[in-house]
Amino acid sequence: DTEVTQTPKHLVMGMTNKKSLKCEQHMGHRAMYWYKQKAKKPPELMFVYSYEKLSINESVPSRFSPECPNSSLLNLHLHALQPEDSALYLCASSQDRTGPGNTIYFGEGSWLTVV
Amino acid sequence: AQKVTQAQTEISVVEKEDVTLDCVYETRDTTYYLFWYKQPPSGELVFLIRRNSFDEQNEISGRYSWNFQKSTSSFNFTITASQVVDSAVYFCALSDITSGTYKYIFGTGTRLKVLA
Repeated sequence: DTEVTQTPKHLVMGMTNKKSLKCEQHMGHRAMYWYKQKAKKPPELMFVYSYEKLSINESVPSRFSPECPNSSLLNLHLHALQPEDSALYLCASSQDRTGPGNTIYFGEGSWLTVV
Repeated sequence: AQKVTQAQTEISVVEKEDVTLDCVYETRDTTYYLFWYKQPPSGELVFLIRRNSFDEQNEISGRYSWNFQKSTSSFNFTITASQVVDSAVYFCALSDITSGTYKYIFGTGTRLKVLA
């Protein structure tokens, strides 16, 4: 079983709705990630938090707002999304050693449909 | 520039056949790491293996084996005696000094269908 848990697994929202995706990890990792994955494509990095501070924002539109309340939790707040934002949203975590090679562990994802 | 190429978009095999998934990478760094992940239809990316650039030993784990060859910049993945449960999309990924601590360069994935 994955040690990165995401809720909800499925979400349908209207373009005027506000919703949130939630993620929790129990591995003591200090880096947490949000990825977006469209059908038949590899995951695309959106945000990285390192020690609860936003470290990377890959020029993501402001209608996506991440939040890291503590080292185990990561949220993604969604507001005024577009149908093209429909995708699988993957949360992930890793140890935060400097340099390449950190193994990233992914959750099961949240399937988002914007109508 | 870094790049990961998985030229096989989709492979279909019959159960119990062996199958090899190819991964070719490009990097100018001497220190780098390569990964394989499995993504079943449920969506989760499952970590399978990590290999660093200084360790060219092949690895075997049950029915899975990996062949890392720096001379050809390849890190191929073989499933022996495939099973229906192996049906998934498999991603190869690269992490190097240039990409930094947090970024993977993913290949486009290979969809494997194992038919009963």
